[in-house]
Amino acid sequence: QSALTQPASVSGSPGQSITISCTGTSSDVGSYNLVSWYQQHPGKAPKLMIYEGSKRPSGVSNRFSGSKSGNTASLTISGLQAEDEADYYCCSYAGSSKGVFGGGTKLTVL
Amino acid sequence: EVQLVESGGGVVRPGGSLRLSCAASGFTFDDYGMSWVRQAPGKGLEWVSGINWNGGSTGYADSVKGRFTISRDNAKNSLYLQMNSLRAEDTALYHCARGIPEDAFDIWGQGTMVTVSS
Repeated sequence: QSALTQPASVSGSPGQSITISCTGTSSDVGSYNLVSWYQQHPGKAPKLMIYEGSKRPSGVSNRFSGSKSGNTASLTISGLQAEDEADYYCCSYAGSSKGVFGGGTKLTVL
Repeated sequence: EVQLVESGGGVVRPGGSLRLSCAASGFTFDDYGMSWVRQAPGKGLEWVSGINWNGGSTGYADSVKGRFTISRDNAKNSLYLQMNSLRAEDTALYHCARGIPEDAFDIWGQGTMVTVSS
């Protein structure tokens, strides 16, 4: 049950698009379309941004989108805004009623 | 308002025990699976344990299996985490979250801090 692999940091300018990758294995990301993404601002609880790989909860901006290819899931944020600066975490179902998170990615809006 | 409020955290010595509670309100508690997710100071999120709607199915991270026990009382709209044989590496902010890994965690509490130190 190893953590999913995310880049430690990504950055982009306002209005640009960025993509955060989340690499797992054939036992988690590759086996299930059950990857979710969370946004966490400092000192705050995480917020669900994407579930089941590409679905957005009500109230989440359509600037956020998710996808998957093989053992790697991705979160894309288009039209970057200052308030998007936060930590982002992926999570995947790993079978046997278990879940596994990624190490997290710090997004900096330049 | 949909809300999760954790309690029960504190300072405990290595080898000690602690029981966390999570009070749910604003939704039909027994319609949902529930989980505990922790975050060590300055570190990332780690899924700890999950339980389905009726308590009939549970899951644990390898790091806590055999030491932690998750349970729920649907009559009291409450989720629990019994933590035994605590170690320094269990020091973290423990969040209660609505959902299980097969779904997603769509509601989160603010967390309760557990510090394991001699």
